Amino acid sequence: KNEVEQSPQNLTAQEGEFITINCSYSVGISALHWLQQHPGGGIVSLFMLSSGKKKHGRLIATINIQEKHSSLHITASHPRDSAVYICAGKPIIQGAQKLVFGQGTRLTINP
Amino acid sequence: NAGVTQTPKFRVLKTGQSMTLLCAQDMNHEYMYWYRQDPGMGLRLIHYSVGEGTTAKGEVPDGYNVSRLKKQNFLLGLESAAPSQTSVYFCASSPYHGAPFTDTQYFGPGTRLTVL
Repeated sequence: KNEVEQSPQNLTAQEGEFITINCSYSVGISALHWLQQHPGGGIVSLFMLSSGKKKHGRLIATINIQEKHSSLHITASHPRDSAVYICAGKPIIQGAQKLVFGQGTRLTINP
Repeated sequence: NAGVTQTPKFRVLKTGQSMTLLCAQDMNHEYMYWYRQDPGMGLRLIHYSVGEGTTAKGEVPDGYNVSRLKKQNFLLGLESAAPSQTSVYFCASSPYHGAPFTDTQYFGPGTRLTVL
């Protein structure tokens, strides 16, 4: 079992729908990242969270450190949101200088 | 600002050849990272640096060497390339606001390397 699990692995929706991608982790973490990988391969950091909620445009990210769960929401989805979304956590284990990555969620938004 | 740039974008090597991938950032970031991305494996950390003149091993360092002689550059070397090193390589950097991996990472466009 991966330390970071994302669900769903694949998601297809119609333009305008509200999208939720979930990230659960089994290790304690001090920070959680949400990344977006475009079809062309480029990676963009969307959010870095250590608690609570962050919003940027139509994107909202939440985290519950105690429940070891984070969600990424997209409101009024658009075909340009089609991408792979990746969550990654920084373990709090002493000496663990790394990020543990989820396997990614492939999102397709149809017009 | 160019952000994070990587050179080259594509490369094909024969087994046993050597090469160096260059990562450059113009954001005065303290931390820099090299990742590889393989189908079904996700991103994995090769090496990272917490400042000029310092480097440290990540999860999959074998077969790679790195150097950070200048703050803005982070070089990844393959001394004797193997087919298992066929991958897409991403460089990233982040500012010094705390510990490494705890702030936003800015990624380069990637280098697609094929080793025959």
